[in-house]
Amino acid sequence: KQEVTQIPAALSVPEGENLVLNCSFTDSAIYNLQWFRQDPGKGLTSLLLIQSSQREQTSGRLNASLDKSSGRSTLYIAASQPGDSATYLCAVRGNQFYFGTGTSLTVIP
Amino acid sequence: GAVVSQHPSWVICKSGTSVKIECRSLDFQATTMFWYRQFPKQSLMLMATSNEGSKATYEQGVEKDKFLINHASLTLSTLTVTSAHPEDSSFYICSATRSEAEKLFFGSGTQLSVL
Repeated sequence: KQEVTQIPAALSVPEGENLVLNCSFTDSAIYNLQWFRQDPGKGLTSLLLIQSSQREQTSGRLNASLDKSSGRSTLYIAASQPGDSATYLCAVRGNQFYFGTGTSLTVIP
Repeated sequence: GAVVSQHPSWVICKSGTSVKIECRSLDFQATTMFWYRQFPKQSLMLMATSNEGSKATYEQGVEKDKFLINHASLTLSTLTVTSAHPEDSSFYICSATRSEAEKLFFGSGTQLSVL
């Protein structure tokens, strides 16, 4: 069974810092990997989708990479802002979606 | 981007009553819809996968008779929590996708509180 792990579980950084969130998965047979953010009491907002054949995707200050062979993905956030504070979840798509446990990010003004 | 609408956003009900939650894909046809449950500060737990016109596939440990899922059309799936009890109180989220290669889009979630 696919297992998805996210490290760290929580992260607190001062505003303006660049940061990296990590996601690892045990089964490399995936269709794609998606990064989401979740604000408290809300649903999930899709940030980036990387297909299994791709290495990275970029959107604004966000860059996600995928190394399928090693079972790893990173989400890089440049010049962090207080509005980036949220829980970030990665999900891999195999025969179903498997979610990581999330990283709770706090950006301190 | 695609929009998934989920209603209601929150519901409070008495123990023993049934609650229906709707999930609609507003601008695309969702071949597959998923229902999740989320406890505070925990990740999403997949409850069931629903394909239009067929029976939902439930994850191990999820009671089919307790959580009724109907996917009557390509744009609508419903989750009915039957005879709700306080332990069913949770945040329920639906998601939808057009195909395996495409993004997963989420509803805004439903906070259920059973008194």
